[in-house]
Amino acid sequence: TQLLEQSPQFLSIQEGENLTVYCNSSSVFSSLQWYRQEPGEGPVLLVTVVTGGEVKKLKRLTFQFGDARKDSSLHITAAQPGDTGLYLCAGASFQGAQKLVFGQGTRLTINP
Amino acid sequence: DAGVTQSPTHLIKTRGQQVTLRCSPKSGHDTVSWYQQALGQGPQFIFQYYEEEERQRGNFPDRFSGHQFPNYSSELNVNALLLGDSALYLCASSLRRGTLHFGNGTRLTVT
Repeated sequence: TQLLEQSPQFLSIQEGENLTVYCNSSSVFSSLQWYRQEPGEGPVLLVTVVTGGEVKKLKRLTFQFGDARKDSSLHITAAQPGDTGLYLCAGASFQGAQKLVFGQGTRLTINP
Repeated sequence: DAGVTQSPTHLIKTRGQQVTLRCSPKSGHDTVSWYQQALGQGPQFIFQYYEEEERQRGNFPDRFSGHQFPNYSSELNVNALLLGDSALYLCASSLRRGTLHFGNGTRLTVT
């Protein structure tokens, strides 16, 4: 059974600080996706990483896929209150897989 | 362009009852997947429908069943509800194996 573990589960920091969220597994994934979920809404895709070692940037967010395609990280620079939300990583066992394995999520709170 | 729509948004049922949740996919999408998200957890894959057939299934009992209609909309049925079935049920649509687009879910409470 493929599992994804996210850490930390909860993170509360001040505006302007940097943070990193980790997503780890003992299994190899074809790709990893990062989602953000707001209360009362469904997850919204932020990025998909496919190649081992791949780094993608989305404004102040930097996503990295581990060389062995078993782990990923999300780094936020100069966090803002608008970054508050639940961040979820999800792995796909093959390209285009609809059956995603999700981590339990990291609930991020950015205090003004 | 309407995204994925789910109904109802909230539902309260009693143990042992049956429930049907509905999903209309994003315009142009033909594949629907259902996920269960318990409180404080990430979503768990229930099953996927394409061409009106169940194509993949997660680790859920037979009490969970579904259907896809010719217009690509889908239903999720849960029989003999248990307290542990209380969760947010998410529908996601895609075009074949494309990117998943999630709806805002149906919050089911079983008392």
